[in-house]
Amino acid sequence: DTEVTQTPKHLVMGMTNKKSLKCEQHMGHRAMYWYKQKAKKPPELMFVYSYEKLSINESVPSRFSPECPNSSLLNLHLHALQPEDSALYLCASSQVTGETQYFGPGTRLLVL
Amino acid sequence: GIQVEQSPPDLILQEGANSTLRCNFSDSVNNLQWFHQNPWGQLINLFYIPSGTKQNGRLSATTVATERYSLLYISSSQTTDSGVYFCAVRNYGQNFVFGPGTRLSVLP
Repeated sequence: DTEVTQTPKHLVMGMTNKKSLKCEQHMGHRAMYWYKQKAKKPPELMFVYSYEKLSINESVPSRFSPECPNSSLLNLHLHALQPEDSALYLCASSQVTGETQYFGPGTRLLVL
Repeated sequence: GIQVEQSPPDLILQEGANSTLRCNFSDSVNNLQWFHQNPWGQLINLFYIPSGTKQNGRLSATTVATERYSLLYISSSQTTDSGVYFCAVRNYGQNFVFGPGTRLSVLP
C-alpha cells in the first residue's frame, strides 16, 4: 500500500478562522513532509518531520503550525491566514528523509 | 543550493507521438525522482532514478549523473499523459528541490 491520504480535499476559510489539514500514511514511513504549491509553480517545501520530530522549517510564517501526533499522522494547523496563502497543500512521506517520496492528493485551500 | 532546469517548458503532441523531456541539475545528487501531476493535482511517482536507465511500459528514464542530467521518454503518447512532469532532486543532506516542470498536452 503506497497511499497517502489527505483531508479535506477542499477548504474555504476566512482570514479569522482556525482550521486544520490532516495527512495519514500506513506505510511505516518515518519522514513526513508538507509542501505548498501555487498555480503553475512547482511544490515548495514547508516542513519536514523525521521520527515525529520537526527537523526542517523552511522559514514558514507562524500562522502555519505543523504537528505530528504519531508516526502515521501529520497535521497542519491554520490560523489568521491571508488570501495569498490560497494554494494546493501537499503531504508526502518517505521511508526516511531523502528517500523516495509518496504524495497525497492534496488539499485545495481558498482564503477569503 | 542546487538548481534544477527542465525543458521544454511546454509541449503539445498529437496522440501516438513520442517525446523526450529533460532535467538538468547543477550539482551531484543522490536522489532523483520523476513525477506526473495530473489535472486534479495528484503527484504520481514515475521513477526513482539517481543513475542508470529504467523502463515502465511506455515510459522510460535515463539519468547520467556524471553529466548532471536526466531524460524522460514517453512513447505512443495518450491523452491521459497530459499534465505537468516534474523532476525533483536531492543532494546529500539537503532537501528535495523540484524543477519548474514541463506542461504536456496530448491532443486526440
